[in-house]
Amino acid sequence: GAVVSQHPSWVICKSGTSVKIECRSLDFQATTMFWYRQFPKQSLMLMATSNEGSKATYEQGVEKDKFLINHASLTLSTLTVTSAHPEDSSFYICSARGDSGRFHEQFFGPGTRLTVL
Amino acid sequence: DAKTTQPPSMDCAEGRAANLPCNHSTISGNEYVYWYRQIHSQGPQYIIHGLKNNETNEMASLIITEDRKSSTLILPHATLRDTAVYYCIVRVLYYNQGGKLIFGQGTELSVKP
Repeated sequence: GAVVSQHPSWVICKSGTSVKIECRSLDFQATTMFWYRQFPKQSLMLMATSNEGSKATYEQGVEKDKFLINHASLTLSTLTVTSAHPEDSSFYICSARGDSGRFHEQFFGPGTRLTVL
Repeated sequence: DAKTTQPPSMDCAEGRAANLPCNHSTISGNEYVYWYRQIHSQGPQYIIHGLKNNETNEMASLIITEDRKSSTLILPHATLRDTAVYYCIVRVLYYNQGGKLIFGQGTELSVKP
């Protein structure tokens, strides 16, 4: 399967700072990227969907000003957690979906663990 | 997307077949059944998908009932490395039709020696 990478794999920051997480599709063009959040012992929750060159679509209850998503190219999407607080501590996972007939395939990154002190 | 129901946990002996059930009684005609798994602290991994026919690949087999209201994922010879949370998801194919992967609670499969 295709490879999706995330950077950093983990980050610790102080409350009030902003953190950027990068998601890259390494060997295919990702027309659509998805961002999920996962709290301990819970399932993945879809936060938002982004298409290259377009504004992200956020799921209900997700603050768009808090979680800024940029999908600037077909291989890169970024999630910025602005003014992070301890309740934002979570496991953030991106996912990428290609085009050109590979509609079934959606690949996930390894995740980024964010800890806000 | 239709919701799915899975048992919260299952055990399986190493080397035996693991049969993971999923109920999706409200599935629509254009929705596919997908299975993913997540090993602890990693991103989910695609396993298999199907519409109405049974499917098999190098990882698993997917059996979908004729009325499509339920399915079973079969890992033919479970190993310790198959210990993970398994998610059954139904989704339409195309994103512009609402095709997003929405995860339920999944089944935590423990493969024991």
